[in-house]
Amino acid sequence: QKEVEQNSGPLSVPEGAIASLNCTYSDRVSQSFFWYRQYSGKSPELIMSIYSNGDKEDGRFTAQLNKASQYVSLLIRDSQPSDSATYLCAVQIQGAQKLVFGQGTRLTINP
Amino acid sequence: NAGVMQNPRHLVRRRGQEARLRCSPMKGHSHVYWYRQLPEEGLKFMVYLQKENIIDESGMPKERFSAEFPKEGPSILRIQQVVRGDSAAYFCASSGTSGRTREQYFGPGTRLTVT
Repeated sequence: QKEVEQNSGPLSVPEGAIASLNCTYSDRVSQSFFWYRQYSGKSPELIMSIYSNGDKEDGRFTAQLNKASQYVSLLIRDSQPSDSATYLCAVQIQGAQKLVFGQGTRLTINP
Repeated sequence: NAGVMQNPRHLVRRRGQEARLRCSPMKGHSHVYWYRQLPEEGLKFMVYLQKENIIDESGMPKERFSAEFPKEGPSILRIQQVVRGDSAAYFCASSGTSGRTREQYFGPGTRLTVT
């Protein structure tokens, strides 16, 4: 079982709709969770971090964490064509600094 | 520019040559991480350094790869005797020590092509 799993997509969402991206992780001592956006040919850009159970909102983005289910998600409201990118879920295990990344979900927002 | 800086942005090397990749962390950050992204693959951790110390090198290949972060100057990822399989994007990230500063921010990357 992979440490961090994401549906590779592609996920296609119409403009203005909600895009929902999901991520599961296997290590129960995972402590910190991050969502990065990566445009083709570019570097990962941090868009959300979440450390405790529940929801965290930042503009059009909401991260949701459920440690009991080992599940973290990212919702993008009012999706824009500029949101089209690969979204990477990353997990940081307690006691370690390194990030473990999922394979990424390719998201396409259709005008 | 207060962000993470990497150079060169593109590097072409022939098989058997050495590649040196440089990274300057974001201002105020003292932790540096190197990640590799192979074509059509995810990001993989390679090494984590603080000034003059390698903290975690669990992702580094056992041979040909080394990293340093000297007291003065940028962090260096060195690949000796490159092979075609080393062709990838190499990203450096940096972070602070606590709270939100432990978030890792990535540089633009170095795209290494081995011919």
